[in-house]
Amino acid sequence: GIQVEQSPPDLILQEGANSTLRCNFSDSVNNLQWFHQNPWGQLINLFYIPSGTKQNGRLSATTVATERYSLLYISSSQTTDSGVYFCAALLGSARQLTFGSGTQLTVLP
Amino acid sequence: NAGVTQTPKFQVLKTGQSMTLQCAQDMNHNSMYWYRQDPGMGLRLIYYSASEGTTDKGEVPNGYNVSRLNKREFSLRLESAAPSQTSVYFCASRKGGGSLLGNEQFFGPGTRLTVL
Repeated sequence: GIQVEQSPPDLILQEGANSTLRCNFSDSVNNLQWFHQNPWGQLINLFYIPSGTKQNGRLSATTVATERYSLLYISSSQTTDSGVYFCAALLGSARQLTFGSGTQLTVLP
Repeated sequence: NAGVTQTPKFQVLKTGQSMTLQCAQDMNHNSMYWYRQDPGMGLRLIYYSASEGTTDKGEVPNGYNVSRLNKREFSLRLESAAPSQTSVYFCASRKGGGSLLGNEQFFGPGTRLTVL
């Protein structure tokens, strides 16, 4: 079936380090989004990126639709970056997003 | 723009009680969604409404009903709450509609529901 897989499931970093989160998907993509769920449970939109590359401050994302993956880069990580990062994709003929299981990021001071 | 709003923020129910979770969006979006998130888990789709007047089951619809009251509002009802429905409930909306081309989806702040 349609799948969205994220890696790694858990990541622990020291403040200031860089990281790359990966999202693989199993079908052609019409919509791909990255979300950050902060420790208070809020889901915050990071990127809407069905293809190409975008940057927003210390964060950037790249989706290579032909190879069915997306990457989220976090540079110079801060403790406030902690939380769960979800990738979600609108795949094939589906009418609703399929979510990955998330990457739990912990940034230590 | 308030975006997607949900009420209430917190609720405690006893087994067998009923309640309705309210969701509204002011972005003129066509599609609206209800998800649940259990501790340490991802989001699972309960019901969605691709456009005003239509609703469809998602991955985990049992025990829930929905109403798309108008374009702005999409409510989720628990007729007889069970402890297994203890969860955080998120509403979301997307421009979507008839087009298969995706549009950015936005989430509300969530409702934390406990069923005793």
